[in-house]
Amino acid sequence: DTGVSQDPRHKITKRGQNVTFRCDPISEHNRLYWYRQTLGQGPEFLTYFQNEAQLEKSRLLSDRFSAERPKGSFSTLEIQRTEQGDSAMYLCASSPRERASYEQYFGPGTRLTVT
Amino acid sequence: RKEVEQDPGPFNVPEGATVAFNCTYSNSASQSFFWYRQDCRKEPKLLMSVYSSGNEDGRFTAQLNRASQYISLLIRDSKLSDSATYLCVVRVAYSGAGSYQLTFGKGTKLSVIP
Repeated sequence: DTGVSQDPRHKITKRGQNVTFRCDPISEHNRLYWYRQTLGQGPEFLTYFQNEAQLEKSRLLSDRFSAERPKGSFSTLEIQRTEQGDSAMYLCASSPRERASYEQYFGPGTRLTVT
Repeated sequence: RKEVEQDPGPFNVPEGATVAFNCTYSNSASQSFFWYRQDCRKEPKLLMSVYSSGNEDGRFTAQLNRASQYISLLIRDSKLSDSATYLCVVRVAYSGAGSYQLTFGKGTKLSVIP
């Protein structure tokens, strides 16, 4: 399977704990995105990388959230001191390097439950 | 006002029917337009991009009206497998052509019944 992969697929954590999610984009896609989706809503943009540079961040991305893509390949999203409101599906997407390509391809997501 | 608005449905239609979904967007700086489909508890999958001249892909036809800031999706000859939530998506050029973030509507739920 050469699609976007995410790990873990499910995570249950207690409030106050830190969690980290990983995303592996489609091979040779240089753009990588993180979104969050809650029940009944569409995905909401969190942040975007072009290669290793983080170029856009949403106001939704509080100080407790940090994302990295150190070598321009896989990315990690860390949430510190989780809160119950962080419970959501965290989706990663990637898109190819062609300048005019704005289509994004999503991974299966990591479902986070904060108890 | 939400940036992308859709009728949440549900639309319950018999197999073989034609169904149309509409979507409006509020930001006139929107530059790219898409329809994604999302099955229950799965990731969104790109259905089609929407071009100014309108475009068709098999049983699916998408239209864009920039003046009215309106996008539509028409599904002909509905199949049971078309049952899903259809997400209207726009890309707003917040900073010239360099913005890549997508803005999603809440989705319209379609159930095709035998």
